[in-house]
Amino acid sequence: SQQGEEDPQALSIQEGENATMNCSYKTSINNLQWYRQNSGRGLVHLILIRSNEREKHSGRLRVTLDTSKKSSSLLITASRAADTASYFCATDGIQGAQKLVFGQGTRLTINP
Amino acid sequence: DVKVTQSSRYLVKRTGEKVFLECVQDMDHENMFWYRQDPGLGLRLIYFSYDVKMKEKGDIPEGYSVSREKKERFSLILESASTNQTSMYLCASSSQGGSQHFGDGTRLSIL
Repeated sequence: SQQGEEDPQALSIQEGENATMNCSYKTSINNLQWYRQNSGRGLVHLILIRSNEREKHSGRLRVTLDTSKKSSSLLITASRAADTASYFCATDGIQGAQKLVFGQGTRLTINP
Repeated sequence: DVKVTQSSRYLVKRTGEKVFLECVQDMDHENMFWYRQDPGLGLRLIYFSYDVKMKEKGDIPEGYSVSREKKERFSLILESASTNQTSMYLCASSSQGGSQHFGDGTRLSIL
């Protein structure tokens, strides 16, 4: 069953603007991860946030986690054309923490 | 850097053939995973392994089997390929509690 669901499914913005993507999930988690996938390639890990954390930063990325709402957001600031990709959230359960469940992704397009 | 290598980027096979997809990782990771990715369905876990000779079913194991004889290698086997197994197949590995590292995928077409 699908655990994470991203919103929106597609997002198109101008270079330099900020991009926000959201993820909702259904059950309790140990951590939530965000991945990026360029067209025709594998996924690349971006950032992991643990269930006891509320916010995490990595360069131009900011991730928030609200466990009461079972939701997370990924903010990319000052977007660049190279940020064009699909972005996925992935969650694990309290049991079997090595197994991730991925959402369907948000397709982000940055227009120059 | 972690390197996960999938043996083929593109593969074309015929219905009924036995198909092997190979994946090798170079970071001594305990865990290895096979997913398939289809438009509108996202990534779905087929099988995973947390140790040599150990395997567990994922969400869609039907029609597939796996083999992990060595820690660095995880093979996905389509016993008798069917057209509905045409897909992008992604292999990943991780250490205990770590993030997953993916290969570039194999785009498999079954004719």
